[in-house]
Amino acid sequence: DMKVTQMPRYLIKRMGENVLLECGQDMSHETMYWYRQDPGLGLQLIYISYDVDSNSEGDIPKGYRVSRKKREHFSLILDSAKTNQTSVYFCASSLRRGDTEVFFGKGTRLTVV
Amino acid sequence: QQQVRQSPQSLTVWEGETAILNCSYEDSTFNYFPWYQQFPGEGPALLISISSVSDKKEDGRFTIFFNKREKKLSLHITDSQPGDSATYFCAASIYQGGSAKLIFGEGTKLTVSS
Repeated sequence: DMKVTQMPRYLIKRMGENVLLECGQDMSHETMYWYRQDPGLGLQLIYISYDVDSNSEGDIPKGYRVSRKKREHFSLILDSAKTNQTSVYFCASSLRRGDTEVFFGKGTRLTVV
Repeated sequence: QQQVRQSPQSLTVWEGETAILNCSYEDSTFNYFPWYQQFPGEGPALLISISSVSDKKEDGRFTIFFNKREKKLSLHITDSQPGDSATYFCAASIYQGGSAKLIFGEGTKLTVSS
């Protein structure tokens, strides 16, 4: 069963703490994404990764960084989390760069208090 | 600013009725328009899509109507079922820097009452 897996599903952190969100996919997809979803705003693209160590900023990269050391694994890091980073974060993947069908994970609900 | 707009924000229909979800966009370079369906606690999943060279795409009870001149499209769900209750996102794809980027609308929350 091909899928995108996100861990953890729920996370509560204090303001100023570092946060690591993990994502894995078993479809050998080249391209991976991190989005955040907020009510009334839809999904906003944070970062795109085209392959190992080939990452590009999305529309709202400020306050985030990413790491992709293996094709099947893509991490989102928040250094010194802020309360306005409370959101639901979705990882996604697509087979190749330029492919328009994107597969999403179930999301991580992050609360920064 | 690339934008995709959806209306209404929420919609309630009775079982068996046709639900109509609207979407509009600004950038005429968008050429691919997928609709994603999201159930609570799940990630969005591709439901149906259309390219800018077509004006209609049908898949079972789901149909996209596309008006390129007016930069508008709509998703029609005929014979709506309670299981169709979900949030629907319209998206537009732009090919930029050698890759395709999806721009999502704000979503329409559909409730189908029985």
